[in-house]
Amino acid sequence: GDSVTQMEGPVTLSEEAFLTINCTYTATGYPSLFWYVQYPGEGLQLLLKATKADDKGSNKGFEATYRKETTSFHLEKGSVQVSDSAVYFCALSTILTGGGNKLTFGTGTQLKVEL
Amino acid sequence: DAGVIQSPRHEVTEMGQEVTLRCKPISGHNSLFWYRQTMMRGLELLIYFNNNVPIDDSGMPEDRFSAKMPNASFSTLKIQPSEPRDSAVYFCASTERTSGRHEQFFGPGTRLTVL
Repeated sequence: GDSVTQMEGPVTLSEEAFLTINCTYTATGYPSLFWYVQYPGEGLQLLLKATKADDKGSNKGFEATYRKETTSFHLEKGSVQVSDSAVYFCALSTILTGGGNKLTFGTGTQLKVEL
Repeated sequence: DAGVIQSPRHEVTEMGQEVTLRCKPISGHNSLFWYRQTMMRGLELLIYFNNNVPIDDSGMPEDRFSAKMPNASFSTLKIQPSEPRDSAVYFCASTERTSGRHEQFFGPGTRLTVL
């Protein structure tokens, strides 16, 4: 079945450091790919998405490129801030028999940014 | 737009009691998801509705768990009887389309503690 593998955390960085969180996937067909972010005490919210190969999703300085050849969707940011401290989830969409779709999530990577 | 609304935000109950969690999806969304999040197992999809009809309940852990969606604007997740291992944060999410390209919008979650 479909699956998502992302790097384990926690990842601890100093402010203004470069961030990479690796994500690879296994899926049949051509799923859409997503990064969600969860701040403490809140629900998940969409950070960025890409719906086809070579698409680049971007938001709030974060970027990720849909790489079909390497089945990857790595999240990057050039200069992190303390406010970026959160848990980041990589996900892919799966079409369900009977209609609709569901998201398959990775285990999440906690990011801690220190001054 | 009020977003996905969940109630209660926190629930503390004793083992054996019935627990009912409530969700109001975003108006116009036709798909609704219930998730459970724990430290041990991460984010798990429990059940999914499309146009008020349960499509995939393979994630519901036991017969003690049941979910209903009597209309397009309301869903419940019930646990009867509750057990300490049910303690988790339960999220409801909704989405507008079933193509897989549209994001899921998450509610703030209900933190359930079963003593």
